[in-house]
Amino acid sequence: AQSVTQLDSQVPVFEEAPVELRCNYSSSVSVYLFWYVQYPNQGLQLLLKYLSGSTLVKGINGFEAEFNKSQTSFHLRKPSVHISDTAEYFCAVNLSGGYNKLIFGAGTRLAVHP
Amino acid sequence: GAGVSQSPRYKVAKRGQDVALRCDPISGHVSLFWYQQALGQGPEFLTYFQNEAQLDKSGLPSDRFFAERPEGSVSTLKIQRTQQEDSAVYLCASSLGSSGGETQYFGPGTRLLVL
Repeated sequence: AQSVTQLDSQVPVFEEAPVELRCNYSSSVSVYLFWYVQYPNQGLQLLLKYLSGSTLVKGINGFEAEFNKSQTSFHLRKPSVHISDTAEYFCAVNLSGGYNKLIFGAGTRLAVHP
Repeated sequence: GAGVSQSPRYKVAKRGQDVALRCDPISGHVSLFWYQQALGQGPEFLTYFQNEAQLDKSGLPSDRFFAERPEGSVSTLKIQRTQQEDSAVYLCASSLGSSGGETQYFGPGTRLLVL
C-alpha cells in the first residue's frame, strides 16, 4: 500500500526567505506525485505534479518540486515566499497506471511572517 | 468557468439524524471522488465514480455511508444515523478522465458538525 509522510506539521518563515516543505512516500510500485495547496475556507488547488520525465517540476505561484526516486522524496521549494503563501500544503500520491485515487499526507502549515 | 460546487457549505446535525451532501462536478468530467478530511489531517478517500458507476467504495467507513451519482453528473453522499465521529469536512473532486495522473479539481467542501 502507498503512504505519504510530510515531515513537518508547521513551517514558520519570514517573508522573502526561501522555504522547503518535505514529503516522503512509500510504494512498491510506480506512483504519480502531487502537491496541493489549501487556503482557508477554500478547496484544494493543484500546485504541481510529477508524472514522468524531468525530475524537476515547476508549478504555479513560483513553486517547484524535485522527484528523487532513490530517496522516495518529492520536496516542495520556493526561493522567496510572500505573505499570501500562508496556507496548508498537502503532498499526495496515486498509482501510475491506475485510476486517480489520491493518498494524502497529513499536511504542512506554512506560516509566512512579515 | 464554473468549478466544483458543494452544498450545503455547513451542516449541523444532531446525533442520529440523516444528512445528504451534494456535489456538482465540472461539466463533462467523467470521474468524481469523495474525500473526508478530519480536523488537522489530510483528506482520506471515501469513494470513486466513473460516470454513474461506483467503481470503488473501499474508503466508506461504515454501511451508514452511501453515495450515488445516478446520471453521471451530480453526486450525493448520504450519512445515516450520524455519529459524532462523522464530524469532518467532506470534499468532492472531479477530473476530466479516469486515468492516473489526471488533475483533480476540488470543491470547497461541506463542513459537518454532529452534536
